[in-house]
Amino acid sequence: AQRVTQPEKLLSVFKGAPVELKCNYSYSGSPELFWYVQYSRQRLQLLLRHISRESIKGFTADLNKGETSFHLKKPFAQEEDSAMYYCALQGGGADGLTFGKGTHLIIQP
Amino acid sequence: DTGVSQDPRHKITKRGQNVTFRCDPISEHNRLYWYRQTLGQGPEFLTYFQNEAQLEKSRLLSDRFSAERPKGSFSTLEIQRTEQGDSAMYLCASSWSGGTYEQYFGPGTRLTVT
Repeated sequence: AQRVTQPEKLLSVFKGAPVELKCNYSYSGSPELFWYVQYSRQRLQLLLRHISRESIKGFTADLNKGETSFHLKKPFAQEEDSAMYYCALQGGGADGLTFGKGTHLIIQP
Repeated sequence: DTGVSQDPRHKITKRGQNVTFRCDPISEHNRLYWYRQTLGQGPEFLTYFQNEAQLEKSRLLSDRFSAERPKGSFSTLEIQRTEQGDSAMYLCASSWSGGTYEQYFGPGTRLTVT
């Protein structure tokens, strides 16, 4: 069975501080990992995927297969980063995504 | 094309009634997914289609749930004999099989069963 764990329900940091949202996964094969973000009153949208190794809006995430983690990081938080963040796993190519419960990130001024 | 659309956006129904939701994917996308999201949880995968073929339906929550995509374009999700526990946000997403598998989500249909 595949599982995604986001241990923090809520994370509050000050503007300009570093941010790390944790994600651990359980999957027997080689998964594809994603971070999705949902801003207030907007639909869920893809932030980044591990295979592209991009930096989007200053966020990066590195897949650590040894620790089965895919933590999301940003060195300097901005107020517009306040949102719900979901880590997701896709195990079989076209199959549906398995999501974590999400972390509500609040950036305080 | 402004993205994935869902109709209705909100639905209030009485327990025992049937409801049907519609999803219109991005026009060039051949894959379509349905998810359910309850309060405090991430989206939960229900089923998906490639063109008109339903390739995964074992995750549908019960036999009261069914989905169709008859012409490979829009899809409907039906819940028969609704229960209060069916109250949730129902999300649709689409993707293109020839691309990066990125799923684009719709705004969702919020179902309230009274």
